[in-house]
Amino acid sequence: DAKTTQPTSMDCAEGRAANLPCNHSTISGNEYVYWYRQIHSQGPQYIIHGLKNNETNEMASLIITEDRKSSTLILPHATLRDTAVYYCISGGGADGLTFGKGTHLIIQP
Amino acid sequence: DAGVIQSPRHEVTEMGQEVTLRCKPISGHNSLFWYRQTMMRGLELLIYFNNNVPIDDSGMPEDRFSAKMPNASFSTLKIQPSEPRDSAVYFCASTAVGGSHNSPLHFGNGTRLTVT
Repeated sequence: DAKTTQPTSMDCAEGRAANLPCNHSTISGNEYVYWYRQIHSQGPQYIIHGLKNNETNEMASLIITEDRKSSTLILPHATLRDTAVYYCISGGGADGLTFGKGTHLIIQP
Repeated sequence: DAGVIQSPRHEVTEMGQEVTLRCKPISGHNSLFWYRQTMMRGLELLIYFNNNVPIDDSGMPEDRFSAKMPNASFSTLKIQPSEPRDSAVYFCASTAVGGSHNSPLHFGNGTRLTVT
């Protein structure tokens, strides 16, 4: 899996959009960008993934730059329950995913 | 969809004892992964299976660790003998491999292992 770089922690006010950046400058052409989050004492939860087009689902939006070297996960209206560690991973999926340390997102009331 | 089911949820054992962790993947998924999570090392991939066959066990820390997948709906991770440094949360994940669209991993809620 290609290495990714994320900020260690971020704060966001409840009700605002949370924008989580990720750099994956060494991503190869067939590798996807995956986002997971982990709430304390639970297993990682899949959020969204994409290859080169922007993606949106009921949880979040994923914006991937044209050169695919970075991406942003957007939680449109953050709630306190969105406080978690968010992992950005690039890889093929079939061989497992390598998790880094992620971004600890804290939603402030 | 019941999701990935792991048992037990918590396991406390004494050093030297055998520990067996169990996982039932999502029905229809053909790949299964075992991860370990500690504060120091984060999430580490231990081993994964495709179509019940072990593909890469390079993440297994020692020969004390072994994993099996006797059929598509069941896998075990065994530690024998267990040591205090094996204390961690062990996660199982599954996915459907194949086709042009990568399927994401779906994780269970883990087994918290404490070895005293």
